[in-house]
Amino acid sequence: DVKVTQSSRYLVKRTGEKVFLECVQDMDHENMFWYRQDPGLGLRLIYFSYDVKMKEKGDIPEGYSVSREKKERFSLILESASTNQTSMYLCASSLTSRMGNEQFFGPGTRLTVL
Amino acid sequence: DQQVKQNSPSLSVQEGRISILNCDYTNSMFDYFLWYKKYPAEGPTFLISISSIKDKNEDGRFTVFLNKSAKHLSLHIVPSQPGDSAVYFCAASVNGDYKLSFGAGTTVTVRA
Repeated sequence: DVKVTQSSRYLVKRTGEKVFLECVQDMDHENMFWYRQDPGLGLRLIYFSYDVKMKEKGDIPEGYSVSREKKERFSLILESASTNQTSMYLCASSLTSRMGNEQFFGPGTRLTVL
Repeated sequence: DQQVKQNSPSLSVQEGRISILNCDYTNSMFDYFLWYKKYPAEGPTFLISISSIKDKNEDGRFTVFLNKSAKHLSLHIVPSQPGDSAVYFCAASVNGDYKLSFGAGTTVTVRA
């Protein structure tokens, strides 16, 4: 079974802090994704990566950056956290060759910015 | 601009009855569609999918129907069970693109 793990289930940070969210997958997937989930808005793509050191902006990249130094690890960075970044953050991975781009998700990190 | 829309935020159904979840899309390039199920405090899990070359795909109690001319798909759950209470997300992709576009989700509550 594919396993996607996220470093924290719950996180509380203060406005202006730098926040790191870590994601690790164990199935050698090429693609990794960061989403945020908000009520009534569904899952919105922040950034994705299709290879080590490669990244592309998703639909809502403002205020975020990412890092992918190793194939299995994809980090989301909030350079200066703001209250409107309070959300559920979900990491996912997928195989390029898999039809339909089925993605496998981690359990999520509930981030609260005070 | 959301390309995948789930216009019903919630659905309540009695145990044993059919649940029907609807999803509409605007991008005619979408050629693969997926449904995900999400419990609170967990990540979404893949449920069922359908390619645009088909109009129906069935897996146990779950059936997805695709109407390409109407740009509409639906998920049928028969019979509904209490464990089906969750948020269901519709997603779509274009062949060759890594990304999925998700709808806002429909919360299903199955009443005993």
